[in-house]
Amino acid sequence: DTAVSQTPKYLVTQMGNDKSIKCEQNLGHDTMYWYKQDSKKFLKIMFSYNNKELIINETVPNRFSPKSPDKAHLNLHINSLELGDSAVYFCASSQPPDRTTTIYFGEGSWLTVV
Amino acid sequence: AQSVTQLDSHVSVSEGTPVLLRCNYSSSYSPSLFWYVQHPNKGLQLLLKYTSAATLVKGINGFEAEFKKSETSFHLTKPSAHMSDAAEYFCVVTTSGTYKYIFGTGTRLKVLA
Repeated sequence: DTAVSQTPKYLVTQMGNDKSIKCEQNLGHDTMYWYKQDSKKFLKIMFSYNNKELIINETVPNRFSPKSPDKAHLNLHINSLELGDSAVYFCASSQPPDRTTTIYFGEGSWLTVV
Repeated sequence: AQSVTQLDSHVSVSEGTPVLLRCNYSSSYSPSLFWYVQHPNKGLQLLLKYTSAATLVKGINGFEAEFKKSETSFHLTKPSAHMSDAAEYFCVVTTSGTYKYIFGTGTRLKVLA
């Protein structure tokens, strides 16, 4: 059983387009995240949601709009795609973080903007 | 504020020799520390975590790490490298309630036959 699943895994699109990446977790977690991994493999948090409420927005351009219809889903919609948006986007989930919480990641979505 | 520094961007070892991947952390509060591994074109898999219990933590695939508060380090080791260990390794820090897991810049491990 896949714990955190993202679709699509690969996405190639043109500049200016709007695209969405979907994420679902079946772990029963309350907290979900989006991370961005750049071409140098650096992973940076974009958003954290707890119980469908936005907790963290790390100065992400407002072209990026996360949506959490329920605790098990956190989708990422990107408007007016730019070349610099090309990256791997990882969805993740956890229980509300305490000293013992582990964060579980999806397989990633490879976005290429041409 | 929290941060992690992975001291080596690339490490090469011969198969069968020990592996050492270095991580130093900075945290205003008692940290939780993790090591994740990412194989090429794959997601992130948890290797092990430290959460204030035993300072020597054993993980999957023969990896272990030791939390040293005096040195603010959490180095990852394995006695004998295997070809399948070739991957990118990330050290991660968080503290309770922050909703933010901070990643290091990664260390690419290469295993030579």
